[in-house]
Amino acid sequence: ETGVTQSPTHLIKTRGQQVTLRCSSQSGHNTVSWYQQALGQGPQFIFQYYREEENGRGNFPPRFSGLQFPNYSSELNVNALELDDSALYLCASSFRGREGQYFGPGTRLTVT
Amino acid sequence: KNEVEQSPQNLTAQEGEFITINCSYSVGISALHWLQQHPGGGIVSLFMLSSGKKKHGRLIATINIQEKHSSLHITASHPRDSAVYICAVLTGANNLFFGTGTRLTVIP
Repeated sequence: ETGVTQSPTHLIKTRGQQVTLRCSSQSGHNTVSWYQQALGQGPQFIFQYYREEENGRGNFPPRFSGLQFPNYSSELNVNALELDDSALYLCASSFRGREGQYFGPGTRLTVT
Repeated sequence: KNEVEQSPQNLTAQEGEFITINCSYSVGISALHWLQQHPGGGIVSLFMLSSGKKKHGRLIATINIQEKHSSLHITASHPRDSAVYICAVLTGANNLFFGTGTRLTVIP
C-alpha cells in the first residue's frame, strides 16, 4: 500500500505567476483534501474533491482551483500568486464513508 | 474565534517529564485527530478518536464529547518527541478544522 505523495517538495514563484501542485492519493482512497498552512499557523481547509468533483470549499478565492483525475490523484492550481500565498500546501486522502485522512509530506511554496 | 483551540502554544519540558496538551473545540464532530508535525512539514497522524481513550506506546489520547475537550499525554518524554502537536476535528461534512498547534521542546 503506497502512501500519499506530493510534488514538488519545494517551489519558488514570482508574484503574479501561476502554480500547479500535485498529489497522489493513498491506494484505495477516493477523496482528496487540500490545506494551506502558513508559517506558525495550523492548516486551513482549501477544498475537497470526491470522484472528480469539488465536494466542499473553505474560505479561499476562486484563483485557487483544483482537479481530481480518474485515478484519484489531484492538482491544486493557484493563479495570480500573491506574497501571502507563501505557505506549506498539504494534501490528504481518505475513503469517503470511512474516517481517517492520510497526509502527504507537503509542498513548500515561496512567492517572491 | 477558532473552532479549535489548543493550549499551551509552546511547551518546554525536561526529558522524562509527563506532558499534557489540551484541545477544546466548539463544533459538532465525528472524530478528533492528534497529529505530529516535525520540522520540514510532514504530518503524521498519531490518533483518531471519537470517544474514550486510546494508547500507543508512551502516548495517550482522551476525549470528552460532552465537554468538547481532548488531551494528549506523553509519558517519560524524550528529546525525539520534540515537534508540533496539532489537534484537528472532523466534522460531519468530512472537513478537518485544525488548531494552531503546540510546539513541544524536550530538553535532554
